[in-house]
Amino acid sequence: GAVVSQHPSWVICKSGTSVKIECRSLDFQATTMFWYRQFPKQSLMLMATSNEGSKATYEQGVEKDKFLINHASLTLSTLTVTSAHPEDSSFYICSASLGTGYQPQHFGDGTRLSIL
Amino acid sequence: AQSVAQPEDQVNVAEGNPLTVKCTYSVSGNPYLFWYVQYPNRGLQFLLKYITGDNLVKGSYGFEAEFNKSQTSFHLKKPSALVSDSALYFCAVRDRSGNTGKLIFGQGTTLQVKP
Repeated sequence: GAVVSQHPSWVICKSGTSVKIECRSLDFQATTMFWYRQFPKQSLMLMATSNEGSKATYEQGVEKDKFLINHASLTLSTLTVTSAHPEDSSFYICSASLGTGYQPQHFGDGTRLSIL
Repeated sequence: AQSVAQPEDQVNVAEGNPLTVKCTYSVSGNPYLFWYVQYPNRGLQFLLKYITGDNLVKGSYGFEAEFNKSQTSFHLKKPSALVSDSALYFCAVRDRSGNTGKLIFGQGTTLQVKP
């Protein structure tokens, strides 16, 4: 149980294009989803927290207009990297949680984004 | 400020030997505590959590963790390491008083198990 699917797993695109990453909770309804960015050999950096039907809460220093998050249903959240540039290249990981208490976050397998 | 420390960047252990990956935290109150494992180019897999009660928590793949309130530690352990345990391990905490569900992660510890 508690499976989170993230798609695509790898994307390469040209500078200036927009890229959408999907995060789905397959067997549970996620009240909250999280988006992280991870640099090689480093810990996860929380970008934003999203709740179904409301605006995402972004962490300090994360550009809202650059990283658009939509949480349309209890099983789907999307992250769109707009007008991507090489410095946006990274490993992006989503997670979903049944609640904000003792329930663990369950993670997708990540998306490797490479901007040429 | 709330923080999680994993003092070792890397832990090396021989297969069959016991392993310990250390974690200490600085969070107000009594946080929820978690351990996750990450294999290359994958997301994080949940191993175990501490909520309350018995200080020794058992989790997936034979891992366990010991909660020590006085030392604010939550070390991950396994009696007999396998080569397949080699991965990146993250300790994480969540403040019970908060309602955001955010996790605070340690910087990660690479576990290398040699045959």
